[in-house]
Amino acid sequence: SQELEQSPQSLIVQEGKNLTINCTSSKTLYGLYWYKQKYGEGLIFLMMLQKGGEEKSHEKITAKLDEKKQQSSLHITASQPSHAGIYLCGAEGAGGTSYGKLTFGQGTILTVHP
Amino acid sequence: EAGVAQSPRYKIIEKRQSVAFWCNPISGHATLYWYQQILGQGPKLLIQFQNNGVVDDSQLPKDRFSAERLKGVDSTLKIQPAKLEDSAVYLCASSFNRVTEAFFGQGTRLTVV
Repeated sequence: SQELEQSPQSLIVQEGKNLTINCTSSKTLYGLYWYKQKYGEGLIFLMMLQKGGEEKSHEKITAKLDEKKQQSSLHITASQPSHAGIYLCGAEGAGGTSYGKLTFGQGTILTVHP
Repeated sequence: EAGVAQSPRYKIIEKRQSVAFWCNPISGHATLYWYQQILGQGPKLLIQFQNNGVVDDSQLPKDRFSAERLKGVDSTLKIQPAKLEDSAVYLCASSFNRVTEAFFGQGTRLTVV
């Protein structure tokens, strides 16, 4: 089965600082999803990446998928307290019994101090 | 567009009791997922439905957990009997099909005492 490893596990930054969260897969990624979760709540979809080298941005958040499709990064520019939460990467299985199966990394807890 | 609805929002039960969670996916979404998220961990897929058929239930503890999706719309997840280690947030998600982004409900926080 596909294993996703996120780093760091937690991150504390001062408001205005940039930060990066990484997600590494044990297998080639067919589709990579980034979600944000507030404590005790559901997941909010941020972005989906499918092609090697693909990069997407939404407001101050940019996500990239490397050419080999085994690693993704999420970068936040000029962080704000509203960015605080748990960031989760999720991946689709590539085929066979894993096709369409969405599994997640363990999450990265982001704290932004004003 | 209405999102994924889950109920109840919170539930506290004693060990060995039974509990059921309900999920109403986004209209038209064929794929429905149930995840278990233990505090400090990422969501773990318990079961995945495509319409009313089970696609994957390899991580569902079938001796105590059961799920159904009658008529391919709403779904219920049941635990009987509950154990202390079942304390977690149970998340329901739906997607249009198996390879598009999934939308999540607010979750049900279960505490087993």
